[in-house]
Amino acid sequence: DAGITQSPRHKVTETGTPVTLRCHQTENHRYMYWYRQDPGHGLRLIHYSYGVKDTDKGEVSDGYSVSRSKTEDFLLTLESATSSQTSVYFCAIRESTNYGYTFGSGTRLTVV
Amino acid sequence: SQQGEEDPQALSIQEGENATMNCSYKTSINNLQWYRQNSGRGLVHLILIRSNEREKHSGRLRVTLDTSKKSSSLLITASRAADTASYFCAHQIPGSARQLTFGSGTQLTVLP
Repeated sequence: DAGITQSPRHKVTETGTPVTLRCHQTENHRYMYWYRQDPGHGLRLIHYSYGVKDTDKGEVSDGYSVSRSKTEDFLLTLESATSSQTSVYFCAIRESTNYGYTFGSGTRLTVV
Repeated sequence: SQQGEEDPQALSIQEGENATMNCSYKTSINNLQWYRQNSGRGLVHLILIRSNEREKHSGRLRVTLDTSKKSSSLLITASRAADTASYFCAHQIPGSARQLTFGSGTQLTVLP
């Protein structure tokens, strides 16, 4: 499995502040994804990347931006955090062998 | 939304019994995958079934796929208390950048 780490694990921030979440992988996978998980909604795709500097929007991208300047890092930024962005955020990579995803442990973000 | 639906939302069974979870989706797919999520953790890939396959086995897991009905089922045989978790199906659509669309999940509780 790919080494995939997310930071921070927990964060509390105030409404209106910018927040950046980091996803780091160690095995050079091309595809990386950011999802949010909310009760009753399962996981919803925010943004994804298919290479360095190649990113695209997912289903719930409003209020979020991403950057991928290196293969190993995929950053998710909440430009101006709102209470509706309180959620658990998961990063994932796509394995090249079984085509399944490997997920990070998640970041629990609370916007107060 | 292209999200899938899962049924039931919650399932409680005794250890040793079989657990069946169902999943439906709305579009044509490349493959369908099942994931497990233990409380407070990231999702773990269980099994993938391709659109041209009808059934697949992995240990105590059996997955079926009916593309004419746009549905899949996951059967866990001889369940154990350690199988207690949320289970999610996810489908990948043709032409997509390998992103997965997740269902809302089934919470399985296996009572000892």
